[in-house]
Amino acid sequence: DAGVIQSPRHEVTEMGQEVTLRCKPISGHDYLFWYRQTMMRGLELLIYFNNNVPIDDSGMPEDRFSAKMPNASFSTLKIQPSEPRDSAVYFCASKPGQGTVTRGYTFGSGTRLTVV
Amino acid sequence: GDSVTQMEGPVTLSEEAFLTINCTYTATGYPSLFWYVQYPGEGLQLLLKATKADDKGSNKGFEATYRKETTSFHLEKGSVQVSDSAVYFCALLSGGYQKVTFGIGTKLQVIP
Repeated sequence: DAGVIQSPRHEVTEMGQEVTLRCKPISGHDYLFWYRQTMMRGLELLIYFNNNVPIDDSGMPEDRFSAKMPNASFSTLKIQPSEPRDSAVYFCASKPGQGTVTRGYTFGSGTRLTVV
Repeated sequence: GDSVTQMEGPVTLSEEAFLTINCTYTATGYPSLFWYVQYPGEGLQLLLKATKADDKGSNKGFEATYRKETTSFHLEKGSVQVSDSAVYFCALLSGGYQKVTFGIGTKLQVIP
């Protein structure tokens, strides 16, 4: 099991550019989560999916952010246009299904985004 | 709503010292409780968990006991090592939901 795979590991982009972050969850996991981590606010849940369907996107900061999960093995988080305040580490995590509610998440290694 | 409060760091200890990181929570029902650890440049890893009152989770010398009466889940280790230097997150998951609520994280630095 390769774990949750995120790409790229690091991204530096200029303000106004589109940024796409990618995540491959663990095979068989029904839930996928996108988190943002900053020094000021800690870990913030942005959105999560169950069986590829977005369940709760209340944490998405604004319309510049969008997330998709076209199939069970791939998800993207897009920021368009990017702003310096979007600089953070973005984590993807996945989790087995409803019957395993006590199981924790498995996190990817994160994407460190810097918007200059 | 659900919330987790943990002591803010950083916590600096000498090698072989005793560690306690406090964590209290607010939740409806009977949540599952977790401690995650994040090493520099990495994602979070599950360290230990407890799913009901009085359960003790343990792993790698770390322990935490689910105390329903005090709504606490304090993390302890009897003798820390330099390799334990990391950020530790207390977290909960309420039954029926899939969103884990995380605390702010406590940075631990162990010096030789």
